[in-house]
Amino acid sequence: GAVVSQHPSRVICKSGTSVKIECRSLDFQATTMFWYRQFPKQSLMLMATSNEGSKATYEQGVEKDKFLINHASLTLSTLTVTSAHPEDSSFYICSAKSWGTEAFFGQGTRLTVV
Amino acid sequence: KQEVTQIPAALSVPEGENLVLNCSFTDSAIYNLQWFRQDPGKGLTSLLLIQSSQREQTSGRLNASLDKSSGRSTLYIAASQPGDSATYLCAGSITQGGSEKLVFGKGTKLTVNP
Repeated sequence: GAVVSQHPSRVICKSGTSVKIECRSLDFQATTMFWYRQFPKQSLMLMATSNEGSKATYEQGVEKDKFLINHASLTLSTLTVTSAHPEDSSFYICSAKSWGTEAFFGQGTRLTVV
Repeated sequence: KQEVTQIPAALSVPEGENLVLNCSFTDSAIYNLQWFRQDPGKGLTSLLLIQSSQREQTSGRLNASLDKSSGRSTLYIAASQPGDSATYLCAGSITQGGSEKLVFGKGTKLTVNP
């Protein structure tokens, strides 16, 4: 299957700083990328959907000023957690797909805010 | 509201056994159905995608079926192995706000005992 690369896989940051997570589709062009958050032993929670070249659509309850999403090209989307706090500590996963095709996921990023 | 339900939540079987994981959905707006596996602390690995015009897909020891009329999908794993131990997630594709999204079940945690 196609490869979606997500970096970093783990990051520890101090409270109040910002962290950027990258998601790249390596061998296909993704018209849509998704960002999810996953709490321990729970399923994925969709945070936002981004289409290349347009603003991301955020799910209800997700602060768009805190979780900045940029989808600059068909192969790259970034999620920036701004002014991170310990409650933002979580597992973040990106996904990339084109309409009607398989969704491929990155390996996830474990964010710990201390 | 679209809902995807997976039963059972957890399953433990001896090595070599054939098994079936179930996924049901309440909304006929779901058109494609995709199965994933997730290993602890990792992202999702796509297993099979069944598009709306298809009834089943096979890959190796895995066979997934889709019955849109009854709102059900099953994932059949033949001759299970300890390496199959993981959480299995099904997700249905829907169109919302002009974008294609996935609606996930909560997963079935499979343990295959040697």
